Amino acid sequence: DAEITQSPRHKITETGRQVTLACHQTWNHNNMFWYRQDLGHGLRLIHYSYGVQDTNKGEVSDGYSVSRSNTEDLPLTLESAASSQTSVYFCASSAGLAGRTDTQYFGPGTRLTVL
Amino acid sequence: AQSVTQPDIHITVSEGASLELRCNYSYGATPYLFWYVQSPGQGLQLLLKYFSGDTLVQGIKGFEAEFKRSQSSFNLRKPSVHWSDAAEYFCAVGARAGGYQKVTFGTGTKLQVIP
Repeated sequence: DAEITQSPRHKITETGRQVTLACHQTWNHNNMFWYRQDLGHGLRLIHYSYGVQDTNKGEVSDGYSVSRSNTEDLPLTLESAASSQTSVYFCASSAGLAGRTDTQYFGPGTRLTVL
Repeated sequence: AQSVTQPDIHITVSEGASLELRCNYSYGATPYLFWYVQSPGQGLQLLLKYFSGDTLVQGIKGFEAEFKRSQSSFNLRKPSVHWSDAAEYFCAVGARAGGYQKVTFGTGTKLQVIP
């Protein structure tokens, strides 16, 4: 069965370190998304991609970057981790063509703690 | 810009009782609408979605939702709640227009089921 996986599931890091969270999907979806989930805020979009070599900023992109070198993967990098980036991070993918809104399928999440 | 409001942060119901979770949206046209469920430590799973057609939508696990344009609502219902329904529920609205596949999530409603 197709799925979307994230690794690691839990990560503790120190302020100032670079951290990369992995996201891998086997749906063959064009579109991939990164969200963060914080109490009282629901899910907020960090970055998204509509295809290989395409990346775009979401509503809370400061301090984060992504790259899309193939269809399956969209790693999220925190360039210099800050305590404010302690959160649960979710990757999602969807099949919508030409940017058309479609159902998003979510990974299990990565809980990141920045000390 | 679109927005979603889930007015109830926390709801408690008895097992076997009926359930209605409220969702109100703001969008300039008919949006795409979604309900997702999140069990503790898990990612979000799609319960149901409305894109067009019949305004009463059936989903998985016995859930249904009704799109009411006049009230800008998309409330989720279940006639008889099971203990396994305890989870957090997210309503989401997706834009129809433009190349940006923006889906905005509500802040969630946490459902507690008591025996």
